[in-house]
Amino acid sequence: AQSVAQPEDQVNVAEGNPLTVKCTYSVSGNPYLFWYVQYPNRGLQFLLKYITGDNLVKGSYGFEAEFNKSQTSFHLKKPSALVSDSALYFCAVRDPLMNRDDKIIFGKGTRLHILP
Amino acid sequence: DGGITQSPKYLFRKEGQNVTLSCEQNLNHDAMYWYRQDPGQGLRLIYYSQIVNDFQKGDIAEGYSVSREKKESFPLTVTSAQKNPTAFYLCASSKGTTRNEKLFFGSGTQLSVL
Repeated sequence: AQSVAQPEDQVNVAEGNPLTVKCTYSVSGNPYLFWYVQYPNRGLQFLLKYITGDNLVKGSYGFEAEFNKSQTSFHLKKPSALVSDSALYFCAVRDPLMNRDDKIIFGKGTRLHILP
Repeated sequence: DGGITQSPKYLFRKEGQNVTLSCEQNLNHDAMYWYRQDPGQGLRLIYYSQIVNDFQKGDIAEGYSVSREKKESFPLTVTSAQKNPTAFYLCASSKGTTRNEKLFFGSGTQLSVL
């Protein structure tokens, strides 16, 4: 069965430091992977996705993510954190081999706190 | 957000009452989705629709109903059968139904029980 895990409920980073938000997945085939961000009382916004090709994917607001097939991970990264990056981040996975079109699975979310 | 409008922003339900959450999109997207968000649980799919006049149950459809009479609209009714309706409800859409498409989300409706 496909699944996605975000092992950290919360991540604290000082402003200006690099940040990493972790995500691991389990699917039967090659995954489609996504990162979304949610600000308080708002919907989710798309950050980036990995479908195929280069393992390093660049997205919005200076974020990037690295697909690592051997470790089944898709960690979100940013070289220098901003206070405005503080939000709830969701990793999501879709198994292209699944017949059900609705089967996008979201992680439980990681709350990122950037400390000034 | 991104052409999807959810209303109202806050909604209160009395015991035994049905309430309807509105979701409208002007993105000309074919697929629409309803998710429920509870703290620490991520997003869970309630219903989705790939085309007008057709919709499918998601993982937690019990106590909910939907309709898709127009491409732009996908309202969700929380019925009295849903015993724990307090949650943040998110509507989303995607251009098509290919599996690599990103979702566009509305700003959400917070439903609480009086």
